[in-house]
Amino acid sequence: AQSVAQPEDQVNVAEGNPLTVKCTYSVSGNPYLFWYVQYPNRGLQFLLKYITGDNLVKGSYGFEAEFNKSQTSFHLKKPSALVSDSALYFCAVRDGGHAGKSTFGDGTTLTVKP
Amino acid sequence: NAGVMQNPRHLVRRRGQEARLRCSPMKGHSHVYWYRQLPEEGLKFMVYLQKENIIDESGMPKERFSAEFPKEGPSILRIQQVVRGDSAAYFCASSPQTGPRETQYFGPGTRLLVL
Repeated sequence: AQSVAQPEDQVNVAEGNPLTVKCTYSVSGNPYLFWYVQYPNRGLQFLLKYITGDNLVKGSYGFEAEFNKSQTSFHLKKPSALVSDSALYFCAVRDGGHAGKSTFGDGTTLTVKP
Repeated sequence: NAGVMQNPRHLVRRRGQEARLRCSPMKGHSHVYWYRQLPEEGLKFMVYLQKENIIDESGMPKERFSAEFPKEGPSILRIQQVVRGDSAAYFCASSPQTGPRETQYFGPGTRLLVL
């Protein structure tokens, strides 16, 4: 079984400040972790993924995420937030032993205020 | 290279009618996944298909729902005798090959409203 928790429904930050969107996961095998962003009435856009290697993963639009095995976390970060980063963010996990099915968190709405 | 295409983007049906949702994967992608997003919720996996084969349908409701990905043409998610609880956004994703490392690329979704 696999599961994802995004403990915050909403995150509010001021433009220019750093942002963090939290994600914790549970899988029985090796975790493969993904972040997606969804703008209103749009599909999901891939941001970044962790498969293996460096715990700090860099992705699109200046986002990065840090894989922490001991805390089973994969928090999304950005050093300086933009108003245009305001959107719905989803963390997803896949069990390394299985293809196909991804399990998504319920999403975190990020609002960046000018 | 066009992305994942879904149509229609919006679909309105009355209770008891059938809904057909289409998904054309990205060029070169032979693996398709369907997810459902209920209001205020995350995406829930429904089914994973390769050409002419259903690989994993563990998330599909046992009745009224079916999916196919024929040798030619788009993947189809079919909902028979729709009920109000079927109202949701249905997203299709595709990947070039299978494997847990593969990134799934999503279409814009079909928003189904059942009256």
